[in-house]
Amino acid sequence: AQSVTQLGSHVSVSEGALVLLRCNYSSSVPPYLFWYVQYPNQGLQLLLKYTSAATLVKGINGFEAEFKKSETSFHLTKPSAHMSDAAEYFCAVSDPYTGFQKLVFGTGTRLLVSP
Amino acid sequence: DSGVTQTPKHLITATGQRVTLRCSPRSGDLSVYWYQQSLDQGLQFLIQYYNGEERAKGNILERFSAQQFPDLHSELNLSSLELGDSALYFCASSVVSLTSRAGELFFGEGSRLTVL
Repeated sequence: AQSVTQLGSHVSVSEGALVLLRCNYSSSVPPYLFWYVQYPNQGLQLLLKYTSAATLVKGINGFEAEFKKSETSFHLTKPSAHMSDAAEYFCAVSDPYTGFQKLVFGTGTRLLVSP
Repeated sequence: DSGVTQTPKHLITATGQRVTLRCSPRSGDLSVYWYQQSLDQGLQFLIQYYNGEERAKGNILERFSAQQFPDLHSELNLSSLELGDSALYFCASSVVSLTSRAGELFFGEGSRLTVL
C-alpha cells in the first residue's frame, strides 16, 4: 500500500526565512506525488505535482519540490517565507495506474510564519 | 474559488440521525470524490464516482452511501450518526477521465458536521 509520511506536525519560520516541509513516500511502483495547501476555513488547493517528468517541480506562490527516488522524498521548499504562507500543507501520493482513485494524504504540516 | 460547491457549510445534528451533504462539481468535471477530514484520522478517501457510476471505494462506512446524479451533482448520505462521525467532509472534482490519470483535484470548502 502506498503512504506518505510528513515529518513535523508544526513548522515555525520567520518571515523571509527558508521554508522546508518534509515528505517521504512509500510506494511499490513509481508514484505520482502532490502537495496541497489548506488555508483556514477553505478547501485544499493544489500547489504542485510530480508525474514522472522533471524531478524538480515548480508550483504556485513560489513553492517548489524535488523528487528524489534514492531518498524516497518529495520535500517542499520556498526560499523566502511570507506571512500569507501560513497554512496547513499536505503531501499526497497516488498510484499512476489508478490515478486519483484512493489518493493517500499525509497527516499535514501546519506552517507558522512570524514577523 | 475552486468552482466546487458544497452545501450545507455547517450542520449540527444528534446521534442516530441522518443527513445529506450535497456537492456540485466544476462545470465539465465528470469525476467526484468524497473525503473525510477529522483530527484523529486526517484526510481519508471515502468514495469516487465517474459519470454516475461508482469507481472506487475507500474507508467508507456501511452507514454512509453516496450517489452521482445525471446532472453530475453528488450527494453523500450519512445515517445512524455517531459522535465519531463529526468531521469536515470534502467533495472534490476533476477533469480526469478513465484514461487520463495525472490531472488535478479541485476541492470544495467542505461541510462541517457536528454530531451531538
